[in-house]
Amino acid sequence: EADIYQTPRYLVIGTGKKITLECSQTMGHDKMYWYQQDPGMELHLIHYSYGVNSTEKGDLSSESTVSRIRTEHFPLTLESARPSHTSQYLCASSVDDMNTEAFFGQGTRLTVV
Amino acid sequence: RKEVEQDPGPFNVPEGATVAFNCTYSNSASQSFFWYRQDCRKEPKLLMSVYSSGNEDGRFTAQLNRASQYISLLIRDSKLSDSATYLCVVRGTGRRALTFGSGTRLQVQP
Repeated sequence: EADIYQTPRYLVIGTGKKITLECSQTMGHDKMYWYQQDPGMELHLIHYSYGVNSTEKGDLSSESTVSRIRTEHFPLTLESARPSHTSQYLCASSVDDMNTEAFFGQGTRLTVV
Repeated sequence: RKEVEQDPGPFNVPEGATVAFNCTYSNSASQSFFWYRQDCRKEPKLLMSVYSSGNEDGRFTAQLNRASQYISLLIRDSKLSDSATYLCVVRGTGRRALTFGSGTRLQVQP
């Protein structure tokens, strides 16, 4: 089993609230990722981190922001949640960019009402 | 055109059947290739990496054709527990993380 954890698993929140989705891994991986997945749809990369203090936006434009102050921690923040942010958010990590797999957390299912 | 394209599915097959999934990728500089499995409302998990020489893991065989930019997954003797969505995944270079296909849903029926 992968040692990567996301909290909360489920979140229902009102429009306009600020939220932070937590992601932590204990494998010492440098690379961490956030993907967004709507039900029955494909995963889209929204944020990527090479290591501490290094983050980049992914292929899908997102109003969320991320930070990487510690290797093991890669939180995602929405300053003002909207119903269009309703989705599943999956965090992943890997050892390097090349021939190694990425391990996924169990995801956070976000509903903004 | 999507970077990674897969058979649309769903594939409904009886137990014991052999089923093949295909995938094409557009970036010729892609360096590594994987098949992931995703169960309903769960996170993706690695099924197997795909090597240039082809590789087998029990009932599962993966093949890569770099010239045609084509990846395949063959499942022999399908089990009910194989029912899931199978994701073709490609890793590029530089900043690019894993790029996922939209997945092919497999339903194995008794």
